[in-house]
Formats: sequence, C-alpha cells, structure tokens
Amino acid sequence: EIVLTQSPGTLSLSPGQRATLSCRASQSLSSGYLAWYQQKPGLAPRLLIYGTSIKATGIPDRFSGSGSRTNFTLSISRLEPEDFALYYCQQYDKSPLTFGGGTKVEIK
Amino acid sequence: QLQLQESGPGLVKPSETLSLTCSVSGGSVSTDSHYWGWLRQPPGKGLEWIGDIYYTGITYYNPSLSSRATISVDTSQNQFSLKVSSVTAADTAVYYCARRGFGRPFDPWGQGSLVTVSS
Repeated sequence: EIVLTQSPGTLSLSPGQRATLSCRASQSLSSGYLAWYQQKPGLAPRLLIYGTSIKATGIPDRFSGSGSRTNFTLSISRLEPEDFALYYCQQYDKSPLTFGGGTKVEIK
Repeated sequence: QLQLQESGPGLVKPSETLSLTCSVSGGSVSTDSHYWGWLRQPPGKGLEWIGDIYYTGITYYNPSLSSRATISVDTSQNQFSLKVSSVTAADTAVYYCARRGFGRPFDPWGQGSLVTVSS
C-alpha cells in the first residue's frame, strides 16, 4: 500500500499570504496520478488538482500543483477567506487507492 | 450536470449489515469510461477508499475491510450500492459515493451519508 504523508498538519496563515502544502509518497508515483482535494466542514471533498498539476474545472488560478515521483506540492498563491479549509492528497496510481492524513489551513 | 445522492439507514446495530445506495442523475452508470466508488470518513478523521465498481459488475476493493464490503450496480435503476457486513463502532463514518474516470480521481462526490453503528 502506498502511504501518503502530508505536512504540515496545520498551516496558520493570513489572507493574502502564500500557502505551500506537501505530500510525500512511500513509493514513486511514476504515472503522476496524484490529486488534491479541499474539504470544508460538513461538506464532501472537492477536487482541485489531478494528474499532479492539472486544475479541475472551475478551480481558480491561484491553486497550482507540482512534483514528481514521491514529492508533491499544492500551492495557493494568495489565500482568500474561502481557502481556509482542510486539504487532502490522494494517489490513484496503485490499488488500494490511498489518501494523506490532511493539512488544515487556518487563519492566523 | 452529474449528481450523486447516498441513501440508507443512519443507524445500524453492531454485527449487522450496513446498506447504502447511491442514485445517479444527470448521467448514466452504464458508461464505459468510469468507475463508481464508495469512500468513508470517520468523524474527525481522514478519508478511506472502500472500493469501486464498473457497470459490467467488475469490482475492486480495499483489503482493509477484510472482505466485509460488497458493491453492486443496478443499471436499470441507474444506481449502485454498498453493503458492509459484521459492522462495529469502527465502521461509524460519513459514507460517500463518487465517480472516477479512467486515470482520473474522484469527481463528483455525493453529499455523504452519516452511518452510526450503535446498539
């Protein structure tokens, strides 16, 4: 099973600042099949990024994904109030499909 | 616009079987380019993939459920279902259904259905 480790657990930032979230895989994702989701309380996860760096439909340009093999990053260039939420990475390269433990982006 | 909606009992007794159905609207489950999946999230915890089904009935499961999960599809009703047998309190979670394309992650998701295991 591919284990995904997200860091940091919590990121305390102010609106307008840049957020950098990390996701490390225990094995190489040679396909680049790594996705990022945003989740707000009481709601289902929302797909932000797939294929490491491809933005899902309707996702603002301030969100970007990068990385390769075992190290992946989600960046939010300038945090808007609605961006404060939980973020999960997920690999869909090998079964079982797995998720990271999440990074909470909170208002400082 | 594709929409998915989970339905089923919100309370299940320990050792019994949890049953949920996902109704699909705005599209067909009989598509040859997508899987239909179930995931869950215990209160305050992270996400876990349970399994997927293709419209032909081919299934893929997470071994973590130790063969307790069964996913089926009903193309005539445009829905798919999940059963988890011998449930314990550890199976208490919000259960989500979602679509997954070939080489794609889960999108969209249903709104989720909270299932509590308690006597």
